[in-house]
Amino acid sequence: ETGVTQTPRHLVMGMTNKKSLKCEQHLGHNAMYWYKQSAKKPLELMFVYSLEERVENNSVPSRFSPECPNSSHLFLHLHTLQPEDSALYLCASSSQGGGGEQFFGPGTRLTVL
Amino acid sequence: GQNIDQPTEMTATEGAIVQINCTYQTSGFNGLFWYQQHAGEAPTFLSYNVLDGLEEKGRFSSFLSRSKGYSYLLLKELQMKDSASYLCAARRSNDYKLSFGAGTTVTVRA
Repeated sequence: ETGVTQTPRHLVMGMTNKKSLKCEQHLGHNAMYWYKQSAKKPLELMFVYSLEERVENNSVPSRFSPECPNSSHLFLHLHTLQPEDSALYLCASSSQGGGGEQFFGPGTRLTVL
Repeated sequence: GQNIDQPTEMTATEGAIVQINCTYQTSGFNGLFWYQQHAGEAPTFLSYNVLDGLEEKGRFSSFLSRSKGYSYLLLKELQMKDSASYLCAARRSNDYKLSFGAGTTVTVRA
């Protein structure tokens, strides 16, 4: 595997479900990001981890919970989501403490029923 | 904060040239990125400008004017595969965060 991978690619869940999104980067980067992409809207930065420490939590509701166990892996745990949370969730990574170019994964298309 | 504006949609003919403009208002600006995103795929890096002027990379070029808070992405000799969304993103000084525009969907017609 090369680059940034995300699983699953598609997820449908009910509002009472608990699920997790996974991201893995194979680029030796030390910063990882979660973005939300809704139709016709700018990418919204949700969380940033630099050197495995969370350095940004962009006023995201607590029903989204990130986890970064090491510099190559990033998770987004989902619990009691709302239909308006349906979107494409993109993971990205970068080097230079977050100052370099960001490489994106293919995203997880999430639908909340 | 940062305010990034770019047109929503553009259409052009195969072989033609299209210019996508982006304006930004940011405190402590430190670079402008352009990404390409095909439907259902990851955004991929196209270019980065931090100094004023034109950066050319094959059929794609990007321009920056820091004093005007303005950038453009120029796509030459358009091909069908260039149909995609093009995202403009500005980075702040001493910060790793990018602020993105909503993207410009370019449709290339035969």
